[in-house]
Amino acid sequence: SAVISQKPSRDICQRGTSLTIQCQVDSQVTMMFWYRQQPGQSLTLIATANQGSEATYESGFVIDKFPISRPNLTFSTLTVSNMSPEDSSIYLCSADSSGSGEQFFGPGTRLTVL
Amino acid sequence: GDSVTQMEGPVTLSEEAFLTINCTYTATGYPSLFWYVQYPGEGLQLLLKATKADDKGSNKGFEATYRKETTSFHLEKGSVQVSDSAVYFCALRYGGATNKLIFGTGTLLAVQP
Repeated sequence: SAVISQKPSRDICQRGTSLTIQCQVDSQVTMMFWYRQQPGQSLTLIATANQGSEATYESGFVIDKFPISRPNLTFSTLTVSNMSPEDSSIYLCSADSSGSGEQFFGPGTRLTVL
Repeated sequence: GDSVTQMEGPVTLSEEAFLTINCTYTATGYPSLFWYVQYPGEGLQLLLKATKADDKGSNKGFEATYRKETTSFHLEKGSVQVSDSAVYFCALRYGGATNKLIFGTGTLLAVQP
């Protein structure tokens, strides 16, 4: 298993600004993932972050809006750029530590954009 | 494409009642199937999983059996507790090397004392 922490846990931001969310895993993992969970909705995968390569984005998500870094095997960041109220959501990171498809999730970052 | 369909909630039960949350999937090949639980104010936790047909995943009194013939993975518990109140997500793992998960819409379970 893996224990995942995220910072910040929540934030309130102004329209047009950017926020960087950090995700730390307590062990080395190959694959990390970033999801968005809008209020009352399910999880939508934003991108897969692999160490040493560019993130792979899902349809509807672009690097300019959601740049991702993965500098090593235990850490990743997601930036939400040029925010609008529509970006208000919970952002979750997860890691697949065993390659089995079993993902462990962080507690999430609750973002509110005014 | 691959997808997961869950019964809509909320599901409201009295303590000690029997629980079933339906989940069906559409997928090419033989995906792994998962149930995740999200307690109020927390992140997702893996509840149970099954990786091949007829496998039964179980944890904390919850069970689900991978039924290939009906493409289903229904979650059951014989006697729910107030502490089981949460949102339950069914998910499948894409085949291949991507390890991506596709989630259902989630089912809110409210257990009343």
